[in-house]
Amino acid sequence: DTEVTQTPKHLVMGMTNKKSLKCEQHMGHRAMYWYKQKAKKPPELMFVYSYEKLSINESVPSRFSPECPNSSLLNLHLHALQPEDSALYLCASSRQHEHTGELFFGEGSRLTVL
Amino acid sequence: GESVGLHLPTLSVQEGDNSIINCAYSNSASDYFIWYKQESGKGPQFIIDIRSNMDKRQGQRVTVLLNKTVKHLSLQIAATQPGDSAVYFCAENGYNTDKLIFGTGTRLQVFP
Repeated sequence: DTEVTQTPKHLVMGMTNKKSLKCEQHMGHRAMYWYKQKAKKPPELMFVYSYEKLSINESVPSRFSPECPNSSLLNLHLHALQPEDSALYLCASSRQHEHTGELFFGEGSRLTVL
Repeated sequence: GESVGLHLPTLSVQEGDNSIINCAYSNSASDYFIWYKQESGKGPQFIIDIRSNMDKRQGQRVTVLLNKTVKHLSLQIAATQPGDSAVYFCAENGYNTDKLIFGTGTRLQVFP
């Protein structure tokens, strides 16, 4: 069982909708991540939070808006998405600020944009 | 291996045989490498890691080899089992960075 919990597991939304993906971990990790994964492709880094501050944004379009309310929670707010944004969105956490430890992944939220 | 288009490289092995999955990395400054296993419908799961000051590291039934000269990483799985069937990704990160970059995956299929 993963110790990183993501909700919802599946989400279908229209291009004009606003929705959010949520991620929670209680391992005391201080770094949290969002990755996007298309079918048959490796996960691609989107955002990194270290100590609740955004440390990396991989030039992600502004229709994706991350938020880290506290050290256990990570959200990804979605607005005006495109069909090509349909993918598996993976949240992960790690112990340390510098990325020298393993990432613990959730099982992902599968997003379909109609 | 390298993927072409939408097709993942696939390694098919018989149950009980050893498997070797290869990965080439491009950043000579990378100092930390991880192998992940991703089963269908699940997130990636950590298998084993290795730092750049090592050439080899062993875990339970798995061994990772690092050749910095040719920037090559391999994962060896001993006595492969049906439960090992999954997509395997290598990942690397550079010195003092939060970025973990995944390589192209390899699908491992285990047949009886």
